[in-house]
Amino acid sequence: DADVTQTPRNRITKTGKRIMLECSQTKGHDRMYWYRQDPGLGLRLIYYSFDVKDINKGEISDGYSVSRQAQAKFSLSLESAIPNQTALYFCATSDPRSVETQYFGPGTRLLVL
Amino acid sequence: DQQVKQNSPSLSVQEGRISILNCDYTNSMFDYFLWYKKYPAEGPTFLISISSIKDKNEDGRFTVFLNKSAKHLSLHIVPSQPGDSAVYFCAASAVSGAGSYQLTFGKGTKLSVIP
Repeated sequence: DADVTQTPRNRITKTGKRIMLECSQTKGHDRMYWYRQDPGLGLRLIYYSFDVKDINKGEISDGYSVSRQAQAKFSLSLESAIPNQTALYFCATSDPRSVETQYFGPGTRLLVL
Repeated sequence: DQQVKQNSPSLSVQEGRISILNCDYTNSMFDYFLWYKKYPAEGPTFLISISSIKDKNEDGRFTVFLNKSAKHLSLHIVPSQPGDSAVYFCAASAVSGAGSYQLTFGKGTKLSVIP
């Protein structure tokens, strides 16, 4: 079984809809991250969490919110989706003892019409 | 302002030859550097890393070189194999204001190894 799972893997939604992307991990890591990847732009950090009570904004947090329901679960929400949020979204985890080697989920491909 | 730059979007190499992927950075606070490999429909996977106190780190066919004065690092793959065909991301880390590390990624280089 995969250590970091993301659901759904693919999602099509309409402008203005609220959607949630979910991430679960079995690695026992405290740190979790959400990134988005756009063609030609690499990965950009949206939000990160170092434990259940710690949530931090990343480089591009506008239009997104997150919830850390448990050590193993970190959800990303788009409150009112817009077309330029069409992207590939990755969740990642890390162990603070390994100097930021991050373990990524398989990604969620989101299309906002 | 892009702090980690991979100026070559793509690279093609013959099987058995050396692949050299390059990465430049601008932030002198970066002190740890990583390479990730990504296949289609999968998440990135960690490949190799190097601390700023070293200038070389080797792991099997993969070697990363760091030139701090030039703010440049490179990944060498010798010999290249068709299974190495993927997108390679360079990433850099520095202690943030919160006292913890974040990764800044480059845009990636797509490597194609031709049989």
